[in-house]
Amino acid sequence: GAVVSQHPSRVICKSGTSVKIECRSLDFQATTMFWYRQFPKQSLMLMATSNEGSKATYEQGVEKDKFLINHASLTLSTLTVTSAHPEDSSFYICSATRGEASSYNEQFFGPGTRLTVL
Amino acid sequence: GNSVTQMEGPVTLSEEAFLTINCTYTATGYPSLFWYVQYPGEGLQLLLKATKADDKGSNKGFEATYRKETTSFHLEKGSVQVSDSAVYFCALSGQGGSEKLVFGKGTKLTVNP
Repeated sequence: GAVVSQHPSRVICKSGTSVKIECRSLDFQATTMFWYRQFPKQSLMLMATSNEGSKATYEQGVEKDKFLINHASLTLSTLTVTSAHPEDSSFYICSATRGEASSYNEQFFGPGTRLTVL
Repeated sequence: GNSVTQMEGPVTLSEEAFLTINCTYTATGYPSLFWYVQYPGEGLQLLLKATKADDKGSNKGFEATYRKETTSFHLEKGSVQVSDSAVYFCALSGQGGSEKLVFGKGTKLTVNP
């Protein structure tokens, strides 16, 4: 149990276009989802935390107008990279927890999405 | 702020060798500590965790002990297998049960038969 999927696994787009990445919890309801970004040979950096039905909370330095997050249901969160540029090329990973954000709950991770902006 | 430093890889071992991956952390208060593993083509999975000083987390033959005096949480396994080949991430979450995770850079382990 506790499987998280991401779609697509890889995407290549032209500079200036927008790309949407989906994160789904397949067998549980996720009250909280997280979006991370990972550069080559670097650690995962938390971008934002989203709770179903409310606005996402972005980490310092993350542009909320560029990285739009929508947590529309208890099983789906989407990350849209708007007007993508080559510097947005990265590996994007989502995770989900079952419980409330007020206490630690294990995060279940998706397999990641490789974005390449030409 | 909180940070995690783990040994850089890649690490290449022969089957049945002893494994140590070092991890040290900087944090205020009393964080919880974790090791995650990422097998090829899959998402990160929680391998083990420890929530207070001197706790030992263990799973699948892997162990790590929360050492507050040395701010360390080194991962060990006495006899690795080919199936242990993966990337290992050390991580911490803040005091008070904050769910935000801070990760190390990851260490790639390859075990040869």
